[in-house]
Amino acid sequence: NAGVTQTPKFRILKIGQSMTLQCTQDMNHNYMYWYRQDPGMGLKLIYYSVGAGITDKGEVPNGYNVSRSTTEDFPLRLELAAPSQTSVYFCASSYGGDSNQPQHFGDGTRLSIL
Amino acid sequence: ILNVEQSPQSLHVQEGDSTNFTCSFPSSNFYALHWYRWETAKSPEALFVMTLNGDEKKKGRISATLNTKEGYSYLYIKGSQPEDSATYLCAFIKYTGTASKLTFGTGTRLQVTL
Repeated sequence: NAGVTQTPKFRILKIGQSMTLQCTQDMNHNYMYWYRQDPGMGLKLIYYSVGAGITDKGEVPNGYNVSRSTTEDFPLRLELAAPSQTSVYFCASSYGGDSNQPQHFGDGTRLSIL
Repeated sequence: ILNVEQSPQSLHVQEGDSTNFTCSFPSSNFYALHWYRWETAKSPEALFVMTLNGDEKKKGRISATLNTKEGYSYLYIKGSQPEDSATYLCAFIKYTGTASKLTFGTGTRLQVTL
């Protein structure tokens, strides 16, 4: 059972570089989410998607972009990495947007911007 | 309460102790409350999804209650074991008519020692 798979697990970037964090799920979930986790803070929603071709901003979208060309994949792109984007990033998915559906999380990507 | 608050921030108990912690959330426009268990170096895993005032859920030695009128939920662990050591997150969903967007608390970090 793969569930939600995130790659890479760790990455160090220089300021101004760009990169894509990959997320794929094999549960045929329509809804997918990207969160960031900063020390002492709760998980903050960056972007979410309710299905292929549909994305929307969450609480902290600035500096990020997403796309959803397939049900399985929901990559998160950082175009111009900044030190403030140093964080642990979690991708999640759920069967539907219904509130009684739990979210399933990937193992996270730890990103450092130096 | 405007956001989701969890208390205490951390808790240190001995094996066999029973313990409980609190999640407070806005009582207006309540839709659902999720509890997640997050072990170090792993991803959050769903424990409970609670939607109705007065809900009580149980999984083994862990149980949760919900009071939507006053805006709180309690998580109880009976006879704590070292494997219960984790951060326990609650997440609130306010009804917006859109996707299931969770607002997370910062968690209660539980450490159980022998």
